[in-house]
Amino acid sequence: DTAVSQTPKYLVTQMGNDKSIKCEQNLGHDTMYWYKQDSKKFLKIMFSYNNKELIINETVPNRFSPKSPDKAHLNLHINSLELGDSAVYFCASSQGTGKKANYGYTFGSGTRLTVV
Amino acid sequence: GENVEQHPSTLSVQEGDSAVIKCTYSDSASNYFPWYKQELGKRPQLIIDIRSNVGEKKDQRIAVTLNKTAKHFSLHITETQPEDSAVYFCAASVGYGGSQGNLIFGKGTKLSVKP
Repeated sequence: DTAVSQTPKYLVTQMGNDKSIKCEQNLGHDTMYWYKQDSKKFLKIMFSYNNKELIINETVPNRFSPKSPDKAHLNLHINSLELGDSAVYFCASSQGTGKKANYGYTFGSGTRLTVV
Repeated sequence: GENVEQHPSTLSVQEGDSAVIKCTYSDSASNYFPWYKQELGKRPQLIIDIRSNVGEKKDQRIAVTLNKTAKHFSLHITETQPEDSAVYFCAASVGYGGSQGNLIFGKGTKLSVKP
């Protein structure tokens, strides 16, 4: 019944590895996001997708590549992981975008990534 | 682009006192201002929001005020309880351009309510 679900919840990996985080929402929303929350709790947007199309790509290293196979899924793949990538990554969804956005975000439970 | 400033970064109050968290934003076209509560180890959850055509909104012990002219909005929690302890985030919608409708978050306020 979870509205926005992310897997895995915890991810510990070594530097240089490639990893993926999956996100699925069953709310029927057409916009999905990835946010990064660092150790100081700052929530920073990384990507925004609307109906499988990339809307926002903030200043994020190109080692991060989002993929949206359909509007209910937005996965995040990270290549060549670095120590500084350690953070909690939150997926979120909302209905609409631009002038049609209704703005209410529903967040997933987060993925705590630790790079060692 | 939109910039959201949030103060204070930490706030400690006694149980039963009121708590006020303030945010300012830069985008005059912003029209939606939500507040999220994040308990330790959990996801941010929407607790209250306000749109630009309203100056104040209340929901039990929580209220939000908006001053569009000054571009600031505030969260007010009355009769605080220990379970109000959390990190609170304000956010403002991007008003125009390719990111229109997306939310920009403040840096958060860690509220501690002491019994």
